[in-house]
Amino acid sequence: EAQVTQNPRYLITVTGKKLTVTCSQNMNHEYMSWYRQDPGLGLRQIYYSMNVEVTDKGDVPEGYKVSRKEKRNFPLILESPSPNQTSLYFCASSLLSGSKNEQFFGPGTRLTVL
Amino acid sequence: DAKTTQPPSMDCAEGRAANLPCNHSTISGNEYVYWYRQIHSQGPQYIIHGLKNNETNEMASLIITEDRKSSTLILPHATLRDTAVYYCIVRYPSGGSYIPTFGRGTSLIVHP
Repeated sequence: EAQVTQNPRYLITVTGKKLTVTCSQNMNHEYMSWYRQDPGLGLRQIYYSMNVEVTDKGDVPEGYKVSRKEKRNFPLILESPSPNQTSLYFCASSLLSGSKNEQFFGPGTRLTVL
Repeated sequence: DAKTTQPPSMDCAEGRAANLPCNHSTISGNEYVYWYRQIHSQGPQYIIHGLKNNETNEMASLIITEDRKSSTLILPHATLRDTAVYYCIVRYPSGGSYIPTFGRGTSLIVHP
């Protein structure tokens, strides 16, 4: 089944404790991205990647890192989480060629930083 | 990518058509209009997309005005399960600075 998976789905942590949220897709998509969603603010893009070893900042990259060493994986790293990073996070992927190229989204990771 | 404007909320009676408008007055010639929806806190789901012709699939219809400055997503027979936030975005389908902006969308409530 074609899908985007994220782990963990729920995480409660404390300020300053490094964490990684994994994202994996099995559709051989070139493009992957991370979003955060906060009440009243819609989906805001954090980072995106057009292909392996190619990453770029989205609208709200501060406090986050990403890497794209393999095509299927795009982990989101919070080196020193802070309470303002408490949010619902979504990973997404899509092709970059063709005329449809809809984004496929993962199920979300709800992060709470105390 | 062009920005979009959507009403923050709408409601619709079950079984009736839901017509969700989107304004994208700065759309450029090769940008497509895409619609997604997000049910509760699940990941957004693709619904439909189009360039300039009207489009229909099993989920919805998309009507794009002739000048392409606005569009309407039509759910022909809305059900309670269609209650969701609907996002209209415009973007190039491939290449370029590919940063789709989802905005806040329209919260559609379908009532019995």
